[in-house]
Amino acid sequence: DVKVTQSSRYLVKRTGEKVFLECVQDMDHENMFWYRQDPGLGLRLIYFSYDVKMKEKGDIPEGYSVSREKKERFSLILESASTNQTSMYLCASSLISNSNQPQHFGDGTRLSIL
Amino acid sequence: AQSVTQPDIHITVSEGASLELRCNYSYGATPYLFWYVQSPGQGLQLLLKYFSGDTLVQGIKGFEAEFKRSQSSFNLRKPSVHWSDAAEYFCAVGAWNAGKSTFGDGTTLTVKP
Repeated sequence: DVKVTQSSRYLVKRTGEKVFLECVQDMDHENMFWYRQDPGLGLRLIYFSYDVKMKEKGDIPEGYSVSREKKERFSLILESASTNQTSMYLCASSLISNSNQPQHFGDGTRLSIL
Repeated sequence: AQSVTQPDIHITVSEGASLELRCNYSYGATPYLFWYVQSPGQGLQLLLKYFSGDTLVQGIKGFEAEFKRSQSSFNLRKPSVHWSDAAEYFCAVGAWNAGKSTFGDGTTLTVKP
């Protein structure tokens, strides 16, 4: 089974801090994703990566950046955390192919910005 | 652009009753369709997927979904709900050659004893 591991289940940070959320997958998937999940808003895509060092903005990239130096690891960076970035963050991965493959999700990181 | 609508934010059913969760999509070509389930405190798990072929798709945990092109729908069904099915359910649509999917806002299922 595919395992997507997010480094923290719960994280509390302060306004203005630089925050790193880490995600590792063990199935050699090319695609990796970062979403945030808020009540009533579903899943919103922040960034997407389809290869090492490649990234693509999602629907809500403002205030975030990403890093993918190795295929298995995809990091989400909050450059200067703000209270409106308090949310549940979900990482996912999938195979690249000539069809659309389902995504495999981590258990999420619940981030609170005080 | 593709989009997904899940008209029901919250559904409550009694244990043992049948279930149908609605999903409507907008996409210009043949879509790739997915249903995921999220239990409290966890990530999303794939229930089933539709790519082509038979329009009635069987998934895990006794769920099935039917693709109806004429109605742009992909509704999820289960004949008899168990208390452990209480969770949030997400429908998603994707393009055939794209890695990304668009998710609906989710439907929360509550199961009454």
